[in-house]
Amino acid sequence: GENVEQHPSTLSVQEGDSAVIKCTYSDSASNYFPWYKQELGKRPQLIIDIRSNVGEKKDQRIAVTLNKTAKHFSLHITETQPEDSAVYFCAASTARTGRRALTFGSGTRLQVQP
Amino acid sequence: DAGVIQSPRHEVTEMGQEVTLRCKPISGHDYLFWYRQTMMRGLELLIYFNNNVPIDDSGMPEDRFSAKMPNASFSTLKIQPSEPRDSAVYFCASSLEGNGQYFGPGTRLTVT
Repeated sequence: GENVEQHPSTLSVQEGDSAVIKCTYSDSASNYFPWYKQELGKRPQLIIDIRSNVGEKKDQRIAVTLNKTAKHFSLHITETQPEDSAVYFCAASTARTGRRALTFGSGTRLQVQP
Repeated sequence: DAGVIQSPRHEVTEMGQEVTLRCKPISGHDYLFWYRQTMMRGLELLIYFNNNVPIDDSGMPEDRFSAKMPNASFSTLKIQPSEPRDSAVYFCASSLEGNGQYFGPGTRLTVT
């Protein structure tokens, strides 16, 4: 089955700096890669996603890049703000045999220092 | 849309008791997922349904766990009997086809 590895596990940046979180996946059939943000005590929230036919996607201060050959994808947050502090999860899923389950990475705790 | 609705939000029960968690997916979504989240194990997929039919229950930890989806707008996850190690936050999520999953607020279960 699919295996998703995420790093770093913790990341501390100064307000205004950029943050990058990286994930690798194992199943070459994976074709959908969402990112979730989870604040303390809250539900995971979908913040951006990318499909395998696209190399990069941006939404204001966040962007995701995908390298299918290397089987890795990354989340980039620019001009970080204290409210960006949360745990971020990457995930991957495949359309193989109709499966729609997501395999999640282990999470990255981002701390933005004011 | 109200989003995914879960109840109860908090449940405290004694070991051996039956626990039933409830979920109402987003209207029109055809996939429903049950997850469990703990500090030690992260987010674990327990089971998911497509058009009310269970597709993969390989994540269900043991026979004490069961899930049903009698119709497109309701699902339950039952633990009988409950054990302290079942203490976790249980999330329900729904999605439309291969698009992103939207999570409910979760049920924080404590088994004493």
